[in-house]
Amino acid sequence: DQQVKQNSPSLSVQEGRISILNCDYTNSMFDYFLWYKKYPAEGPTFLISISSIKDKNEDGRFTVFLNKSAKHLSLHIVPSQPGDSAVYFCAASAPGGSYIPTFGRGTSLIVHP
Amino acid sequence: EADIYQTPRYLVIGTGKKITLECSQTMGHDKMYWYQQDPGMELHLIHYSYGVNSTEKGDLSSESTVSRIRTEHFPLTLESARPSHTSQYLCASSGPNPYGYTFGSGTRLTVV
Repeated sequence: DQQVKQNSPSLSVQEGRISILNCDYTNSMFDYFLWYKKYPAEGPTFLISISSIKDKNEDGRFTVFLNKSAKHLSLHIVPSQPGDSAVYFCAASAPGGSYIPTFGRGTSLIVHP
Repeated sequence: EADIYQTPRYLVIGTGKKITLECSQTMGHDKMYWYQQDPGMELHLIHYSYGVNSTEKGDLSSESTVSRIRTEHFPLTLESARPSHTSQYLCASSGPNPYGYTFGSGTRLTVV
Protein backbone atom coordinates (compact mmCIF):
# COMPACT_ATOMS: atom_id res chain seq x y z
CA ASP A 1 0.00 0.00 0.00
CA GLN A 2 1.88 3.03 -1.30
CA GLN A 3 1.38 6.11 0.82
CA VAL A 4 3.43 8.28 -1.52
CA LYS A 5 2.76 7.85 -5.21
CA GLN A 6 4.63 9.15 -8.21
CA ASN A 7 2.47 7.92 -11.06
CA SER A 8 4.74 9.01 -13.89
CA PRO A 9 7.80 6.74 -14.11
CA SER A 10 9.41 9.04 -16.65
CA LEU A 11 9.22 12.52 -18.13
CA SER A 12 10.95 13.95 -21.18
CA VAL A 13 11.37 17.72 -21.58
CA GLN A 14 13.17 20.05 -23.95
CA GLU A 15 15.98 22.18 -22.54
CA GLY A 16 14.72 25.60 -21.47
CA ARG A 17 11.14 24.43 -20.93
CA ILE A 18 9.39 23.74 -17.66
CA SER A 19 9.52 20.32 -16.01
CA ILE A 20 6.63 19.42 -13.71
CA LEU A 21 6.96 16.36 -11.52
CA ASN A 22 3.92 15.24 -9.57
CA CYS A 23 3.42 13.41 -6.31
CA ASP A 24 0.29 12.28 -4.48
CA TYR A 25 -0.01 11.04 -0.93
CA THR A 26 -2.69 9.24 1.03
CA ASN A 27 -1.69 9.75 4.66
CA SER A 28 -3.32 12.93 5.97
CA MET A 29 -0.86 12.92 8.89
CA PHE A 30 2.06 13.82 6.62
CA ASP A 31 3.15 17.37 7.38
CA TYR A 32 6.56 17.71 5.76
CA PHE A 33 7.46 16.92 2.19
CA LEU A 34 10.81 16.60 0.48
CA TRP A 35 12.21 16.12 -2.99
CA TYR A 36 15.43 14.26 -3.62
CA LYS A 37 17.41 13.99 -6.82
CA LYS A 38 19.36 10.86 -7.70
CA TYR A 39 21.91 10.30 -10.43
CA PRO A 40 22.75 6.74 -11.53
CA ALA A 41 25.20 4.97 -9.20
CA GLU A 42 24.90 7.79 -6.65
CA GLY A 43 22.87 8.27 -3.50
CA PRO A 44 19.92 10.69 -3.44
CA THR A 45 20.67 14.31 -2.64
CA PHE A 46 18.24 16.70 -0.98
CA LEU A 47 16.71 19.21 -3.36
CA ILE A 48 13.89 21.15 -1.72
CA SER A 49 11.27 20.72 0.97
CA ILE A 50 7.98 22.22 2.12
CA SER A 51 6.08 22.24 5.37
CA SER A 52 2.33 21.71 5.41
CA ILE A 53 1.84 25.24 6.74
CA LYS A 54 2.96 26.57 3.35
CA ASP A 55 1.65 26.05 -0.14
CA LYS A 56 4.77 27.08 -2.03
CA ASN A 57 8.52 27.05 -1.53
CA GLU A 58 11.01 28.35 -4.04
CA ASP A 59 14.76 27.85 -4.39
CA GLY A 60 16.28 29.20 -7.57
CA ARG A 61 14.96 27.24 -10.54
CA PHE A 62 13.08 24.83 -8.27
CA THR A 63 9.63 25.45 -6.82
CA VAL A 64 7.49 23.02 -4.87
CA PHE A 65 3.73 23.52 -4.63
CA LEU A 66 1.58 21.81 -2.03
CA ASN A 67 -2.18 21.32 -2.30
CA LYS A 68 -3.23 19.82 1.02
CA SER A 69 -6.88 19.39 0.15
CA ALA A 70 -5.94 17.33 -2.89
CA LYS A 71 -3.04 15.63 -1.10
CA HIS A 72 -0.87 16.57 -4.01
CA LEU A 73 2.47 18.24 -4.49
CA SER A 74 4.46 19.13 -7.53
CA LEU A 75 8.02 20.14 -8.31
CA HIS A 76 8.55 22.71 -11.03
CA ILE A 77 11.94 23.19 -12.66
CA VAL A 78 12.26 26.34 -14.76
CA PRO A 79 14.17 26.47 -17.02
CA SER A 80 15.09 22.82 -17.35
CA GLN A 81 18.72 22.01 -18.09
CA PRO A 82 20.34 18.78 -19.35
CA GLY A 83 22.11 18.47 -15.98
CA ASP A 84 18.71 18.14 -14.35
CA SER A 85 18.34 14.70 -15.95
CA ALA A 86 18.03 12.36 -12.98
CA VAL A 87 15.49 10.40 -10.96
CA TYR A 88 13.44 12.58 -8.62
CA PHE A 89 12.00 11.07 -5.46
CA CYS A 90 9.14 12.58 -3.52
CA ALA A 91 9.13 11.85 0.23
CA ALA A 92 6.79 12.68 3.10
CA SER A 93 7.07 12.63 6.91
CA ALA A 94 4.52 12.54 9.69
CA PRO A 95 4.98 14.47 12.98
CA GLY A 96 6.24 12.86 16.14
CA GLY A 97 7.87 9.49 16.31
CA SER A 98 10.84 8.97 14.10
CA TYR A 99 10.38 11.61 11.32
CA ILE A 100 11.54 8.89 8.93
CA PRO A 101 10.21 9.83 5.50
CA THR A 102 8.22 7.57 3.22
CA PHE A 103 9.48 7.63 -0.36
CA GLY A 104 7.73 7.37 -3.70
CA ARG A 105 9.05 5.27 -6.58
CA GLY A 106 10.64 8.18 -8.36
CA THR A 107 10.23 9.87 -11.72
CA SER A 108 13.05 9.72 -14.25
CA LEU A 109 13.46 13.14 -15.86
CA ILE A 110 15.28 13.44 -19.16
CA VAL A 111 16.05 16.94 -20.41
CA HIS A 112 16.96 17.00 -24.10
CA PRO A 113 19.41 19.65 -25.39
CA GLU B 1 34.64 17.82 4.41
CA ALA B 2 31.85 16.15 6.37
CA ASP B 3 30.35 13.30 4.42
CA ILE B 4 29.00 9.75 4.46
CA TYR B 5 30.96 6.94 2.89
CA GLN B 6 29.90 3.51 1.70
CA THR B 7 32.16 0.68 0.65
CA PRO B 8 32.31 -1.20 -1.57
CA ARG B 9 30.55 0.69 -4.37
CA TYR B 10 29.97 -2.52 -6.32
CA LEU B 11 30.08 -6.13 -5.15
CA VAL B 12 29.45 -9.38 -6.98
CA ILE B 13 29.39 -12.37 -4.67
CA GLY B 14 28.38 -16.02 -4.72
CA THR B 15 25.34 -17.47 -3.01
CA GLY B 16 25.91 -18.45 0.60
CA LYS B 17 28.74 -16.02 1.27
CA LYS B 18 28.77 -13.72 4.28
CA ILE B 19 29.17 -10.05 3.43
CA THR B 20 29.39 -6.77 5.31
CA LEU B 21 28.53 -3.46 3.70
CA GLU B 22 30.35 -0.59 5.35
CA CYS B 23 28.93 2.85 6.12
CA SER B 24 30.74 5.64 7.94
CA GLN B 25 29.89 9.30 8.46
CA THR B 26 32.03 12.17 9.67
CA MET B 27 29.21 14.54 10.64
CA GLY B 28 28.67 13.28 14.16
CA HIS B 29 25.06 12.42 13.33
CA ASP B 30 23.21 10.33 15.90
CA LYS B 31 20.69 8.84 13.48
CA MET B 32 21.69 6.44 10.73
CA TYR B 33 19.64 4.40 8.28
CA TRP B 34 19.90 1.63 5.71
CA TYR B 35 17.64 1.62 2.68
CA GLN B 36 17.21 -0.90 -0.10
CA GLN B 37 16.25 0.32 -3.53
CA ASP B 38 15.57 -1.45 -6.81
CA PRO B 39 15.22 0.39 -10.14
CA GLY B 40 11.82 2.01 -10.50
CA MET B 41 10.91 1.27 -6.91
CA GLU B 42 10.73 3.33 -3.75
CA LEU B 43 13.45 3.38 -1.12
CA HIS B 44 12.58 0.82 1.53
CA LEU B 45 13.86 1.31 5.07
CA ILE B 46 15.44 -1.92 6.35
CA HIS B 47 17.28 -0.78 9.51
CA TYR B 48 17.85 2.37 11.52
CA SER B 49 19.70 3.51 14.61
CA TYR B 50 19.22 6.50 16.89
CA GLY B 51 22.60 6.18 18.54
CA VAL B 52 25.26 3.86 19.86
CA ASN B 53 23.90 0.43 20.82
CA SER B 54 20.48 1.33 19.38
CA THR B 55 19.20 -0.51 16.30
CA GLU B 56 15.70 -1.09 14.95
CA LYS B 57 14.21 -2.95 12.03
CA GLY B 58 12.54 -0.90 9.34
CA ASP B 59 9.42 -1.39 7.29
CA LEU B 60 10.89 -3.90 4.87
CA SER B 61 11.62 -7.33 6.22
CA SER B 62 15.27 -8.08 5.72
CA GLU B 63 17.56 -10.99 6.49
CA SER B 64 20.38 -8.58 7.20
CA THR B 65 21.61 -7.41 10.58
CA VAL B 66 23.26 -4.17 11.70
CA SER B 67 25.37 -2.95 14.58
CA ARG B 68 26.14 0.49 16.01
CA ILE B 69 29.16 0.29 18.26
CA ARG B 70 30.49 3.71 17.30
CA THR B 71 28.56 6.83 16.36
CA GLU B 72 30.23 7.14 12.99
CA HIS B 73 29.97 3.50 11.88
CA PHE B 74 26.85 1.53 10.89
CA PRO B 75 27.73 -1.69 9.03
CA LEU B 76 25.15 -4.03 7.51
CA THR B 77 25.79 -7.77 7.39
CA LEU B 78 24.25 -10.56 5.36
CA GLU B 79 25.14 -13.91 6.92
CA SER B 80 24.30 -15.93 3.80
CA ALA B 81 23.79 -14.02 0.59
CA ARG B 82 21.06 -15.11 -1.84
CA PRO B 83 20.16 -13.91 -5.35
CA SER B 84 17.06 -12.24 -3.85
CA HIS B 85 19.44 -9.89 -1.98
CA THR B 86 20.59 -8.39 -5.28
CA SER B 87 19.80 -4.68 -4.97
CA GLN B 88 21.22 -1.26 -4.24
CA TYR B 89 21.83 -0.54 -0.56
CA LEU B 90 21.86 3.09 0.54
CA CYS B 91 23.11 4.36 3.89
CA ALA B 92 21.97 7.71 5.26
CA SER B 93 22.37 9.80 8.38
CA SER B 94 20.61 12.76 9.95
CA GLY B 95 21.52 15.18 12.73
CA PRO B 96 19.60 17.74 14.78
CA ASN B 97 17.39 18.53 11.78
CA PRO B 98 15.36 15.31 11.60
CA TYR B 99 14.56 15.97 7.95
CA GLY B 100 18.14 16.64 6.96
CA TYR B 101 19.07 13.30 5.45
CA THR B 102 22.49 12.83 3.88
CA PHE B 103 22.88 9.73 1.74
CA GLY B 104 25.98 7.80 0.81
CA SER B 105 26.69 6.81 -2.78
CA GLY B 106 25.32 3.33 -2.25
CA THR B 107 26.52 -0.24 -2.72
CA ARG B 108 25.28 -2.13 -5.75
CA LEU B 109 25.16 -5.78 -4.65
CA THR B 110 24.79 -8.67 -7.07
CA VAL B 111 24.50 -12.21 -5.72
CA VAL B 112 25.08 -14.93 -8.30
